[in-house]
Amino acid sequence: DQQVKQNSPSLSVQEGRISILNCDYTNSMFDYFLWYKKYPAEGPTFLISISSIKDKNEDGRFTVFLNKSAKHLSLHIVPSQPGDSAVYFCAAAYSGTYKYIFGTGTRLKVLA
Amino acid sequence: EPEVTQTPSHQVTQMGQEVILRCVPISNHLYFYWYRQILGQKVEFLVSFYNNEISEKSEIFDDQFSVERPDGSNFTLKIRSTKLEDSAMYFCASIRQVNTGELFFGEGSRLTVL
Repeated sequence: DQQVKQNSPSLSVQEGRISILNCDYTNSMFDYFLWYKKYPAEGPTFLISISSIKDKNEDGRFTVFLNKSAKHLSLHIVPSQPGDSAVYFCAAAYSGTYKYIFGTGTRLKVLA
Repeated sequence: EPEVTQTPSHQVTQMGQEVILRCVPISNHLYFYWYRQILGQKVEFLVSFYNNEISEKSEIFDDQFSVERPDGSNFTLKIRSTKLEDSAMYFCASIRQVNTGELFFGEGSRLTVL
């Protein structure tokens, strides 16, 4: 039961351009969403989050958009930098549960 | 900056052996988690722990797995009789208040079962 899906396993972007990573979810009870970045052999590190009462949250080069009707969220990175190359996971949670459910990840490669 | 620490960073064991993975969550956090990632796959929830008991667990977390908070700082994951398919990165995570912020993850413990 894949409640959080990232349909693009990989993405390549030129340095300086925008990276758009997508995430879809099926459980309408989710009310809190997060994006994590992961380098090989390291733990996931938090990037940005959004609550379901908002449709956008911005932090520096990172912006997360939430479309509740489409059950879709996206992470925009602009401008993309080579150091952004990593695997990005979206995660979701809802009130009344303790677990955060992760998507399958998208490997971003930013080309210099 | 406070961090979640995990030991060992890598453990190699024979199938059927018991393994204990250790974690020290961030000191003022109240909720503790174990996740795992099989190579190249998604980060999977195993178990959450709050107030000295399991609050939620996944179907992966069967009778071979157990968690414990033996003292005020450590949080352990025990696998009683390891199988080849238990080979994965195991991540400990903690959070002060669930659903209000991000999980903080440790660097992970790589378990290799031969």
